[in-house]
Amino acid sequence: KNEVEQSPQNLTAQEGEFITINCSYSVGISALHWLQQHPGGGIVSLFMLSSGKKKHGRLIATINIQEKHSSLHITASHPRDSAVYICAAQAGAAGNKLTFGGGTRVLVKP
Amino acid sequence: DTGVSQNPRHKITKRGQNVTFRCDPISEHNRLYWYRQTLGQGPEFLTYFQNEAQLEKSRLLSDRFSAERPKGSFSTLEIQRTEQGDSAMYLCASSLVEGTQYFGPGTRLTVL
Repeated sequence: KNEVEQSPQNLTAQEGEFITINCSYSVGISALHWLQQHPGGGIVSLFMLSSGKKKHGRLIATINIQEKHSSLHITASHPRDSAVYICAAQAGAAGNKLTFGGGTRVLVKP
Repeated sequence: DTGVSQNPRHKITKRGQNVTFRCDPISEHNRLYWYRQTLGQGPEFLTYFQNEAQLEKSRLLSDRFSAERPKGSFSTLEIQRTEQGDSAMYLCASSLVEGTQYFGPGTRLTVL
């Protein structure tokens, strides 16, 4: 079993729909990251959170430390949101290295 | 553009050749990380530096791999005697000790 599991692996939505991506982790963490990767490889950090909820534009990330679970929500999805979304667990010790989930490939159709 | 640069962006090499990649982090960042990502998978940790000290290496980093950060600024990752299984995207990230990691665009390696 991977230390960080994401679901679903793939997701197709119509423009305007609400999207939820889930992440469960089995390791102790100091923070949980949500990252976005577009075709071509570049990774952009969306959120780093250790408790509660963060919001940036149409993106919302939540984390439940007790249940070791995080979600990324995209409201009013748009075709430009099409990308791979990756959650990553940051170790408290060991230099803050990241352990990544396998990613969720999101396609938003116009 | 996150401010982290990697060169080259693409490298095609024949099996058995040596390759070297370079990462230039954000200048004030004292931590530098290398990750590897194969097609359709999430990235995997390879190694990290704090300033010039290499503090941890993954079991994925066989003895054919070596990384350096000689002056605590840029870093190089060398792969000797490349194998087809080394084909992947090699990602570099930098951060302050307690900060968000900023990723470079990656170097895509293809071993023929």
